[in-house]
Parts: sequence; C-alpha cells; structure tokens
Amino acid sequence: DAGVTQSPTHLIKTRGQQVTLRCSPKSGHDTVSWYQQALGQGPQFIFQYYEEEERQRGNFPDRFSGHQFPNYSSELNVNALLLGDSALYLCASSRQGSTDTQYFGPGTRLTVL
Amino acid sequence: EDQVTQSPEALRLQEGESSSLNCSYTVSGLRGLFWYRQDPGKGPEFLFTLYSAGEEKEKERLKATLTKKESFLHITAPKPEDSATYLCAVRPVMNTGFQKLVFGTGTRLLVSP
Repeated sequence: DAGVTQSPTHLIKTRGQQVTLRCSPKSGHDTVSWYQQALGQGPQFIFQYYEEEERQRGNFPDRFSGHQFPNYSSELNVNALLLGDSALYLCASSRQGSTDTQYFGPGTRLTVL
Repeated sequence: EDQVTQSPEALRLQEGESSSLNCSYTVSGLRGLFWYRQDPGKGPEFLFTLYSAGEEKEKERLKATLTKKESFLHITAPKPEDSATYLCAVRPVMNTGFQKLVFGTGTRLLVSP
C-alpha cells in the first residue's frame, strides 16, 4: 500500500518566480491538506482540499493556491516567490471525517534565492 | 486562538535513561491530539491519536497520555534510534466540519549510546 507521495523532492527558484508542487494521497484517502514547515518550526496549515474544492484555509496570502483533481491528487502553487517562502512543504492525506488521522508525505524542500 | 506549546525544546538522554516530553494546549474544543515523529528533512510519521482526558496509548518504548490541558509522551529505556523531533498537534473543532492540525514547534530528542 503506497503512502503519500510528493514531487519534486527538492526545488530551487529565484524571487518572483512561480512554483508548482504535487501530491498523491494514500490509497483510499480523499482529502488533501498542505502545510509549510520553516526550519526549526512546526508545520503551519495552508489549506485543505476535498471534492476538488478548497474547504479550509490558514493564514496564507492569495499567492498560495491549490487544486485537487478527480483522482484526489493535488497541486500547490505559489506565485511571486519571496525569500521567506523557503521551507519544507508537506502534503497530508486523510479520509473525510472529523476523527480521521492525517498521514504525511516526505515533503518538498523549496529554496528561494 | 488555538495554541500548542512543547517542552523542552531539546532533550539529551543517555541510552536507557527514561524521560517525558510535554505538550500543553489551549483549544476551543478538541477533536484529537496527535503525536508525530519527524526525522531531519523528512515528513512527520504518525505515532498516536488521543481523544479524551485519561486516555493512554502505547507503542514499543513510547507511551502517550492526555489530560484536559496537556499531553505527555513518555519514553522508557530509549535507544539511539529514538533520536528525532517529536511533534504534538491538536485538531480543533471547526464550524465548517473540516479539519486542520495546529502544531507545536517540537522537542528535539538526542539519545546517546
């Protein structure tokens, strides 16, 4: 049973560029959440997708957007990159429901120069 | 505002030296408290979910407990392979019915042989 997968593993961009990160959920999961983890910090919630719609959003600007596809996979897009966007971006999948556990992927390390 | 505080920030133990990590939280309604283990540069690995005060869960050398204000992760006779960052997260009750996790900054555990 494949777990949550993310691509790419690492990415280097320059300020002002745009980036797209990808996530495939664990088999049987229909909900995808994205988190940003700065060095030495805990993950911060960006948003959650279910049934191809954004359902919940954290305190992140509109430069952060996402998409969920019919096969439940998801993309995170970040426009107009800033140095402060450098972080580990984590995708977590779960089954929709108030008691289900979120399982995390390995993350994408984004470096903005 | 929902908040999670973990202590200590870092902990150094000798192999076999038992100890506890603390996670205190303030949340407007709790739908679960989660413990994850995170190795450097990797995604968090799920350990436990606790739902109500008095609940306890065990896995190998780890035992998690929950009260109304805090949770403890007890590590009995740790081994060097237990070295990692341990993250605590809460899932607040959301009016939308959808979920997010609020994380602490973690405790970095180093176990020396």
